[in-house]
Amino acid sequence: DAGVIQSPRHEVTEMGQEVTLRCKPISGHNSLFWYRQTMMRGLELLIYFNNNVPIDDSGMPEDRFSAKMPNASFSTLKIQPSEPRDSAVYFCASREGQGRYGYTFGSGTRLTVV
Amino acid sequence: GNSVTQMEGPVTLSEEAFLTINCTYTATGYPSLFWYVQYPGEGLQLLLKATKADDKGSNKGFEATYRKETTSFHLEKGSVQVSDSAVYFCALTLSGGSNYKLTFGKGTLLTVNP
Repeated sequence: DAGVIQSPRHEVTEMGQEVTLRCKPISGHNSLFWYRQTMMRGLELLIYFNNNVPIDDSGMPEDRFSAKMPNASFSTLKIQPSEPRDSAVYFCASREGQGRYGYTFGSGTRLTVV
Repeated sequence: GNSVTQMEGPVTLSEEAFLTINCTYTATGYPSLFWYVQYPGEGLQLLLKATKADDKGSNKGFEATYRKETTSFHLEKGSVQVSDSAVYFCALTLSGGSNYKLTFGKGTLLTVNP
């Protein structure tokens, strides 16, 4: 099993540009989560999907952020337009079952907006 | 709501010292509890878990016991190694309904010196 795969590992972009982060969950996992990690705020849950359906997007900071999960094996997190304060490490995680088995995290995408 | 409070770091120890990282929680239901570890530049990895009161999770010499009476899940290791230097996160999740999300503490940075 290759685990949760995120791409790219690093992204540097200019303010105002569109950024798309990608995630491939573990096959058979029915829940997918997007987290953001910064020094100031720690780990924040942005959105999560269950069976490809968004369940809770209350953590999405503003309308510039959007996430999709068109099928069970792929999800995207898009920021348009990007701003310097979006600089962070973005993690995707997937989980099997109803929450008692922990999550498997990807290696993250380090986003820098200049 | 649900929350996790863990001791603030950083924690600096010498090799072979005893480690305790305190974690307490509040939850609206019966949570499952987890410790995750994040090595520099990597994603979070599940270290151990416990799903019911008095369960002891253990892995790689680390242990934590689910204490419902004190709402705690303290992480311990009898003899730390330099390779244990990382950030440790305590977390909980409630299964069922819409409570699929994992709630994290702020993390505790552990540095082990030779």
